Amino acid sequence: EPEVTQTPSHQVTQMGQEVILRCVPISNHLYFYWYRQILGQKVEFLVSFYNNEISEKSEIFDDQFSVERPDGSNFTLKIRSTKLEDSAMYFCASSEVLGINTEAFFGQGTRLTVV
Amino acid sequence: AQKITQTQPGMFVQEKEAVTLDCTYDTSDPSYGLFWYKQPSSGEMIFLIYQGSYDQQNATEGRYSLNFQKARKSANLVISASQLGDSAMYFCAMREDYQGAQKLVFGQGTRLTINP
Repeated sequence: EPEVTQTPSHQVTQMGQEVILRCVPISNHLYFYWYRQILGQKVEFLVSFYNNEISEKSEIFDDQFSVERPDGSNFTLKIRSTKLEDSAMYFCASSEVLGINTEAFFGQGTRLTVV
Repeated sequence: AQKITQTQPGMFVQEKEAVTLDCTYDTSDPSYGLFWYKQPSSGEMIFLIYQGSYDQQNATEGRYSLNFQKARKSANLVISASQLGDSAMYFCAMREDYQGAQKLVFGQGTRLTINP
Protein backbone atom coordinates (compact mmCIF):
# COMPACT_ATOMS: atom_id res chain seq x y z
CA GLU A 1 0.00 0.00 0.00
CA PRO A 2 1.39 3.43 -0.90
CA GLU A 3 2.41 5.58 2.00
CA VAL A 4 3.78 8.97 2.89
CA THR A 5 7.35 8.75 4.12
CA GLN A 6 9.15 11.31 6.26
CA THR A 7 12.80 11.70 7.08
CA PRO A 8 14.39 11.89 9.53
CA SER A 9 12.21 10.25 12.17
CA HIS A 10 13.91 12.28 14.87
CA GLN A 11 15.98 15.47 14.56
CA VAL A 12 17.81 17.27 17.33
CA THR A 13 19.01 20.77 16.58
CA GLN A 14 20.56 23.69 18.39
CA MET A 15 18.42 26.76 18.95
CA GLY A 16 18.96 29.23 16.14
CA GLN A 17 19.85 26.61 13.56
CA GLU A 18 17.91 25.90 10.40
CA VAL A 19 16.29 22.52 9.82
CA ILE A 20 14.75 20.91 6.79
CA LEU A 21 12.15 18.23 7.26
CA ARG A 22 11.62 15.99 4.27
CA CYS A 23 8.58 14.17 2.99
CA VAL A 24 7.79 11.98 0.03
CA PRO A 25 4.04 12.14 -0.58
CA ILE A 26 2.08 9.39 -2.30
CA SER A 27 3.02 9.56 -5.96
CA ASN A 28 -0.32 10.39 -7.58
CA HIS A 29 -1.37 12.86 -4.91
CA LEU A 30 -1.62 16.54 -5.78
CA TYR A 31 -2.22 18.22 -2.42
CA PHE A 32 0.37 18.34 0.31
CA TYR A 33 0.20 19.48 3.89
CA TRP A 34 2.27 20.03 6.99
CA TYR A 35 0.80 19.69 10.48
CA ARG A 36 2.42 20.13 13.87
CA GLN A 37 1.76 18.46 17.20
CA ILE A 38 3.40 19.88 20.29
CA LEU A 39 3.86 17.11 22.86
CA GLY A 40 0.57 16.26 24.54
CA GLN A 41 -1.41 18.72 22.48
CA LYS A 42 -3.65 18.57 19.46
CA VAL A 43 -2.54 18.37 15.88
CA GLU A 44 -2.44 21.82 14.24
CA PHE A 45 -2.53 22.72 10.57
CA LEU A 46 0.46 24.64 9.26
CA VAL A 47 0.19 24.85 5.50
CA SER A 48 -1.29 23.33 2.36
CA PHE A 49 0.45 23.26 -1.00
CA TYR A 50 -0.88 22.69 -4.48
CA ASN A 51 0.45 23.29 -7.96
CA ASN A 52 3.78 24.51 -6.60
CA GLU A 53 2.38 27.16 -4.37
CA ILE A 54 0.93 27.63 -0.93
CA SER A 55 -2.84 27.42 -1.05
CA GLU A 56 -3.51 28.08 2.62
CA LYS A 57 -1.46 28.70 5.73
CA SER A 58 -2.23 29.14 9.39
CA GLU A 59 -1.12 31.95 11.67
CA ILE A 60 1.57 29.62 13.00
CA PHE A 61 3.19 29.51 9.57
CA ASP A 62 5.07 32.80 9.72
CA ASP A 63 8.23 33.98 7.96
CA GLN A 64 10.26 31.46 9.93
CA PHE A 65 8.71 28.67 7.88
CA SER A 66 8.83 27.84 4.20
CA VAL A 67 7.83 24.90 2.04
CA GLU A 68 9.16 23.68 -1.24
CA ARG A 69 8.70 20.91 -3.73
CA PRO A 70 12.22 20.83 -5.12
CA ASP A 71 11.60 17.95 -7.49
CA GLY A 72 8.80 15.64 -8.56
CA SER A 73 8.78 13.59 -5.40
CA ASN A 74 9.96 15.52 -2.34
CA PHE A 75 8.07 18.06 -0.26
CA THR A 76 10.08 19.91 2.37
CA LEU A 77 9.43 22.12 5.38
CA LYS A 78 12.22 24.50 6.29
CA ILE A 79 12.32 26.12 9.71
CA ARG A 80 14.79 28.97 10.00
CA SER A 81 16.38 30.08 13.26
CA THR A 82 14.68 27.42 15.35
CA LYS A 83 13.32 28.24 18.79
CA LEU A 84 12.72 26.00 21.79
CA GLU A 85 8.99 26.21 21.19
CA ASP A 86 9.40 24.71 17.72
CA SER A 87 9.99 21.36 19.40
CA ALA A 88 7.13 19.18 18.20
CA MET A 89 6.14 16.29 16.01
CA TYR A 90 5.78 17.44 12.42
CA PHE A 91 3.50 15.49 10.15
CA CYS A 92 3.44 15.59 6.40
CA ALA A 93 0.23 14.54 4.67
CA SER A 94 -1.01 14.25 1.14
CA SER A 95 -4.30 13.77 -0.65
CA GLU A 96 -5.26 12.91 -4.19
CA VAL A 97 -8.01 15.48 -4.48
CA LEU A 98 -9.53 18.24 -2.40
CA GLY A 99 -12.95 17.93 -0.83
CA ILE A 100 -14.74 17.55 2.44
CA ASN A 101 -14.58 13.76 2.16
CA THR A 102 -10.92 13.67 1.24
CA GLU A 103 -8.84 11.42 3.43
CA ALA A 104 -5.43 12.88 4.17
CA PHE A 105 -2.73 10.23 4.35
CA PHE A 106 -0.23 11.05 7.08
CA GLY A 107 3.41 10.17 7.33
CA GLN A 108 4.85 8.70 10.48
CA GLY A 109 6.08 12.11 11.59
CA THR A 110 9.42 13.76 12.39
CA ARG A 111 10.05 14.51 16.02
CA LEU A 112 11.98 17.78 16.18
CA THR A 113 13.78 18.61 19.40
CA VAL A 114 15.33 22.05 19.73
CA VAL A 115 17.93 22.32 22.49
CA ALA B 1 -14.67 28.99 20.01
CA GLN B 2 -13.31 25.50 19.63
CA LYS B 3 -14.23 23.91 16.32
CA ILE B 4 -13.82 20.38 17.66
CA THR B 5 -14.31 19.45 21.30
CA GLN B 6 -13.35 16.14 22.82
CA THR B 7 -14.37 16.28 26.47
CA GLN B 8 -12.78 13.00 27.61
CA PRO B 9 -9.03 13.41 28.12
CA GLY B 10 -8.76 9.75 29.13
CA MET B 11 -10.91 6.62 29.00
CA PHE B 12 -10.28 3.23 30.60
CA VAL B 13 -12.15 0.21 29.30
CA GLN B 14 -12.00 -3.52 29.87
CA GLU B 15 -10.97 -5.66 26.93
CA LYS B 16 -13.91 -6.87 24.80
CA GLU B 17 -16.19 -4.09 26.01
CA ALA B 18 -17.56 -1.43 23.68
CA VAL B 19 -16.41 2.16 24.15
CA THR B 20 -17.76 5.48 22.94
CA LEU B 21 -15.43 8.43 22.40
CA ASP B 22 -17.20 11.78 22.32
CA CYS B 23 -16.76 14.50 19.75
CA THR B 24 -18.78 17.67 19.27
CA TYR B 25 -18.13 20.20 16.56
CA ASP B 26 -19.00 23.75 15.69
CA THR B 27 -19.59 24.98 12.18
CA SER B 28 -22.02 27.12 10.25
CA ASP B 29 -21.04 25.46 6.96
CA PRO B 30 -23.74 23.05 5.77
CA SER B 31 -21.09 20.99 3.95
CA TYR B 32 -18.39 19.39 6.05
CA GLY B 33 -16.67 16.12 6.74
CA LEU B 34 -15.81 14.51 10.05
CA PHE B 35 -12.87 12.16 10.55
CA TRP B 36 -11.47 10.03 13.30
CA TYR B 37 -7.76 9.24 13.53
CA LYS B 38 -5.91 6.88 15.83
CA GLN B 39 -2.44 7.73 17.09
CA PRO B 40 -0.64 4.82 18.78
CA SER B 41 2.39 5.37 20.98
CA SER B 42 4.63 5.07 17.92
CA GLY B 43 3.22 8.43 16.79
CA GLU B 44 1.77 7.90 13.34
CA MET B 45 -1.74 9.09 12.47
CA ILE B 46 -4.03 6.32 11.23
CA PHE B 47 -7.32 7.15 9.51
CA LEU B 48 -10.25 5.21 10.95
CA ILE B 49 -13.56 6.46 9.67
CA TYR B 50 -15.28 9.31 7.85
CA GLN B 51 -18.76 10.85 8.02
CA GLY B 52 -20.06 13.47 5.59
CA SER B 53 -22.57 16.09 6.67
CA TYR B 54 -25.03 14.96 4.00
CA ASP B 55 -24.67 11.26 4.68
CA GLN B 56 -27.99 9.77 5.68
CA GLN B 57 -26.54 6.74 7.42
CA ASN B 58 -23.97 6.46 10.16
CA ALA B 59 -20.58 5.37 8.88
CA THR B 60 -19.21 1.96 9.81
CA GLU B 61 -15.78 0.39 9.23
CA GLY B 62 -15.31 -3.00 10.81
CA ARG B 63 -15.37 -2.56 14.59
CA TYR B 64 -15.61 1.22 14.23
CA SER B 65 -18.87 3.06 13.84
CA LEU B 66 -19.79 6.68 14.03
CA ASN B 67 -22.82 7.86 15.97
CA PHE B 68 -23.62 10.97 13.95
CA GLN B 69 -26.22 13.29 15.46
CA LYS B 70 -26.31 16.28 13.18
CA ALA B 71 -28.78 18.39 15.17
CA ARG B 72 -26.61 18.00 18.26
CA LYS B 73 -23.43 18.49 16.22
CA SER B 74 -21.90 15.36 17.61
CA ALA B 75 -19.95 12.58 15.93
CA ASN B 76 -19.04 10.02 18.54
CA LEU B 77 -16.78 7.09 17.68
CA VAL B 78 -17.94 3.69 18.87
CA ILE B 79 -15.42 0.87 19.07
CA SER B 80 -17.02 -2.51 19.58
CA ALA B 81 -15.31 -5.49 21.21
CA SER B 82 -12.25 -3.50 22.23
CA GLN B 83 -8.81 -5.06 21.95
CA LEU B 84 -5.52 -4.33 23.71
CA GLY B 85 -4.22 -2.91 20.44
CA ASP B 86 -6.90 -0.23 20.54
CA SER B 87 -4.98 1.55 23.30
CA ALA B 88 -3.98 4.86 21.71
CA MET B 89 -4.86 8.54 21.35
CA TYR B 90 -7.94 9.17 19.26
CA PHE B 91 -8.52 12.44 17.45
CA CYS B 92 -11.71 13.77 15.93
CA ALA B 93 -11.22 16.19 13.05
CA MET B 94 -13.33 18.27 10.66
CA ARG B 95 -12.90 19.60 7.17
CA GLU B 96 -15.20 22.48 6.13
CA ASP B 97 -16.22 23.19 2.58
CA TYR B 98 -16.38 27.00 2.76
CA GLN B 99 -12.70 27.17 3.50
CA GLY B 100 -11.98 25.20 0.36
CA ALA B 101 -11.69 22.03 2.39
CA GLN B 102 -7.98 22.74 2.69
CA LYS B 103 -7.31 21.75 6.23
CA LEU B 104 -8.29 19.34 8.94
CA VAL B 105 -9.09 20.90 12.30
CA PHE B 106 -8.41 18.52 15.16
CA GLY B 107 -9.75 18.16 18.67
CA GLN B 108 -7.59 17.73 21.74
CA GLY B 109 -7.82 13.98 21.63
CA THR B 110 -8.86 11.20 23.99
CA ARG B 111 -6.36 8.73 25.37
CA LEU B 112 -7.98 5.30 25.40
CA THR B 113 -6.52 2.55 27.56
CA ILE B 114 -7.77 -1.00 27.21
CA ASN B 115 -7.26 -3.11 30.31
CA PRO B 116 -6.87 -6.89 30.04
